[in-house]
Amino acid sequence: EAGVAQSPRYKIIEKRQSVAFWCNPISGHATLYWYQQILGQGPKLLIQFQNNGVVDDSQLPKDRFSAERLKGVDSTLKIQPAKLEDSAVYLCATGAGGETQYFGPGTRLLVL
Amino acid sequence: DAKTTQPTSMDCAEGRAANLPCNHSTISGNEYVYWYRQIHSQGPQYIIHGLKNNETNEMASLIITEDRKSSTLILPHATLRDTAVYYCIVPGAGSYQLTFGKGTKLSVIP
Repeated sequence: EAGVAQSPRYKIIEKRQSVAFWCNPISGHATLYWYQQILGQGPKLLIQFQNNGVVDDSQLPKDRFSAERLKGVDSTLKIQPAKLEDSAVYLCATGAGGETQYFGPGTRLLVL
Repeated sequence: DAKTTQPTSMDCAEGRAANLPCNHSTISGNEYVYWYRQIHSQGPQYIIHGLKNNETNEMASLIITEDRKSSTLILPHATLRDTAVYYCIVPGAGSYQLTFGKGTKLSVIP
């Protein structure tokens, strides 16, 4: 069974630029999550989708972050404009129900 | 979510059992205990979960105390590849969400 795929793996941008991350979930997994992990901390949930609907985006900084899940499968997370403090690893996870989640390798973002 | 408390770091000799403790004294009767780990530069990986009975799978064993206020994750024969940060998480019942703390950094030493 293929795992969660994420791209790109690494991205370096300058502040005020925009960036997008892509996630392809495990086939059949209805729930999809985006997390932000700052160095030295545990992952922090940004947004949760159930199929193509948003379940919880209470921790998503909506002035600069946006996310969508196309047709309930792939998802993109965008930051526009980026700030220095957005430097982090962005993790995508999916689940078939319950709290067992399967994580992708993450995208490491550096904002200069 | 119930709050969990874990030691910041632990060492374990290669080949020995690694016992990672977790306190979750505010856990409710229908809340599960989940364990994940994160190897350097990788995404977190699910290990095991349990409600009240002890659980075992191919990766680890989970021992939950009778009062459910604490649990221990046991890696029976630790290898160098088990060096990682281990997270104990008690999600709210039915929330499907995970709140990660700082976890325990386990170092397996040759």
